[in-house]
Amino acid sequence: QSVLTQPPSVSGAPGQRVTFSCTGSSSNIGAGYDVHWYQQLPGTAPKLLIYDNSNRPSGVPDRFSGSKSGTSASLAITGLQAEDEADYYCQSYDSSLSGVVFGGGTKLTVL
Amino acid sequence: EVQLVESGGGLVKPGGSLRLSCAASGFTFSSYSMNWVRQAPGKGLEWVSSISSSSSYIYYADSVKGRFTISRDNAKNSLYLQMNSLRAEDTAVYYCARYSGYSDYWGQGTLVTVSS
Repeated sequence: QSVLTQPPSVSGAPGQRVTFSCTGSSSNIGAGYDVHWYQQLPGTAPKLLIYDNSNRPSGVPDRFSGSKSGTSASLAITGLQAEDEADYYCQSYDSSLSGVVFGGGTKLTVL
Repeated sequence: EVQLVESGGGLVKPGGSLRLSCAASGFTFSSYSMNWVRQAPGKGLEWVSSISSSSSYIYYADSVKGRFTISRDNAKNSLYLQMNSLRAEDTAVYYCARYSGYSDYWGQGTLVTVSS
């Protein structure tokens, strides 16, 4: 059971907008710790997609955006493309555990 | 170009030990905290351990506390994970990752299989 809760799967058609949720608690996201998002394509290492809730690293298209509110965060992808099919993970810090915490991941299927 | 290259994975029997290494290049290794993160087959990412730039602060997930030891050698630009008393549930791909609150660079991972 992951400390951060993500839905197991999300799907959308090419060109559509999809969102991913990440729900935490008062010891992680709700405590003010930043949320970060990673994309993991099959058979590859995770790639940083969004850092500090809403910032994109250089090279990440502006189709990807992030936000945070209260004890939750979300990732949105607009203009969905086939190559976006991957697993998406949120990550934060938990003060009770004194460590990094990940969500269980959400598998995106592009229909 | 930042590069992180893990090595040392392999097949080990339950109760055995293994030492993973991560060779870093392309950045000032001594200025960054580092993480080990693992991923069991078909499962999600699990944080294993963190070490600060000067090794002053070290943290472990409860699942590995007392069995795993993280360390680094800044002179050799290397990160290590000593894994003892290995269990079947430690079977995973182990990634080293640069850490600044988030991990912006990851290695390709090294597979550890614990099986008799």
